[in-house]
Amino acid sequence: QSALTQPASVSGSPGQSITISCTGTSSDVGGDNFVSWYQQHPDNAPKLLIYDVNNRPSGISNRFSGSKSGNTASLTISGLQAEDEADYYCYSKRGTFTGVFGGGTKLTVL
Amino acid sequence: QVQLVQSGAEVKKPGSSVKVSCKASGGTFSSYSISWVRQAPGQGLEWMGGIIPIFGTTHYAQKFQGRVTFTADESTSTAYMELNSLRFEDRAVYYCARSYGDYYYMDVWGKGTTVTVSS
Repeated sequence: QSALTQPASVSGSPGQSITISCTGTSSDVGGDNFVSWYQQHPDNAPKLLIYDVNNRPSGISNRFSGSKSGNTASLTISGLQAEDEADYYCYSKRGTFTGVFGGGTKLTVL
Repeated sequence: QVQLVQSGAEVKKPGSSVKVSCKASGGTFSSYSISWVRQAPGQGLEWMGGIIPIFGTTHYAQKFQGRVTFTADESTSTAYMELNSLRFEDRAVYYCARSYGDYYYMDVWGKGTTVTVSS
């Protein structure tokens, strides 16, 4: 059961925007709109940032946005801040009653 | 606001079993599914499977089929994950998370339970 493909690392300076990609197949990312994104700081549990491709839960900054094209989903963080430095994971429903995470992307704020 | 409270850290020997609990505090999880996710040291998140408590149905990632069992007790709003035949590589933090639908996404997470496998 292969993971979704994410870049291992991305970086950006404060105030800039970055985008993290998440590539899957027509059986997961491209199959429907159940892609979500999670932020994880060291030694903490993951936190939901985006669900259903482009929806933000209450309390999540509008600096975080999601999109999808074909089999690739993307997370964009605008106005980078130091506290955005963390690991980011995409997740997609895959078929019926199954899910899969991406390998994770480490974001460094320069 | 519901919180998921997980049981404490465990140290187990290879070949033994571990059972981790996940109790919903401040609410119930009857209307949701519960996913179990693990994270080995320095590694990414791995979806193990889940349970839909209201129906009692369980779903397992292929990798864990036959070695893990999910159960839930609706009367105490507690879910359980039991992993058998432990191997050194099962050393990880195990998270439970409240999920929507058939595991569409996870919005509330437990703090994680560290399982160490050591001889």
